[in-house]
Amino acid sequence: GAGVSQSPSNKVTEKGKDVELRCDPISGHTALYWYRQSLGQGLEFLIYFQGNSAPDKSGLPSDRFSAERTGGSVSTLTIQRTQQEDSAVYLCASSLEGGLASTDTQYFGPGTRLTVL
Amino acid sequence: AQSVTQLGSHVSVSEGALVLLRCNYSSSVPPYLFWYVQYPNQGLQLLLKYTSAATLVKGINGFEAEFKKSETSFHLTKPSAHMSDAAEYFCAVSASFGFKTIFGAGTRLFVKA
Repeated sequence: GAGVSQSPSNKVTEKGKDVELRCDPISGHTALYWYRQSLGQGLEFLIYFQGNSAPDKSGLPSDRFSAERTGGSVSTLTIQRTQQEDSAVYLCASSLEGGLASTDTQYFGPGTRLTVL
Repeated sequence: AQSVTQLGSHVSVSEGALVLLRCNYSSSVPPYLFWYVQYPNQGLQLLLKYTSAATLVKGINGFEAEFKKSETSFHLTKPSAHMSDAAEYFCAVSASFGFKTIFGAGTRLFVKA
């Protein structure tokens, strides 16, 4: 595809349920990032994948959050036992060469709006 | 450690007026600085970036930003606001020595007719 895609665009779930959010990066981009955007907050870094290197998970807020990236392409962010404070827009971005300190432009997907009731 | 502060969560200007969105950063090493824009119901996109070359950086849609080391600032400006500029703008900082990109809280720009 032409850009980063994310699915679903909206997800409503009940407290305590698990959810999976999907990200399809731009083809050929080796770096992939997950961010969380809460109302009135900036972009909170969650996790970063670069090629075959071990992911940087330093931004994950708790062990209920995990992510994987299969085959260096598609990524799934999983939130277990969701809580109301997990409600936010989850954004995925990819870049060509990556490196968290890279000057490469990050291309963002439209996000998944998660609402936990 | 790095941080970025955007002064003013909301800025309102009249169409045709100067746009000034403020960003101050803190970095222990020479920073790379970015402005991203998020239009309503769209994803974030890069507006411009500073990567240690020219201190005055020009971006898309007539925006520009000037890196001022002495003031630790990277304010975003546009001489004449257009209705289509209404969006949320994010300043971000990273560096060349393994620092992750840190985003500010964002500034929502309103443009009045």
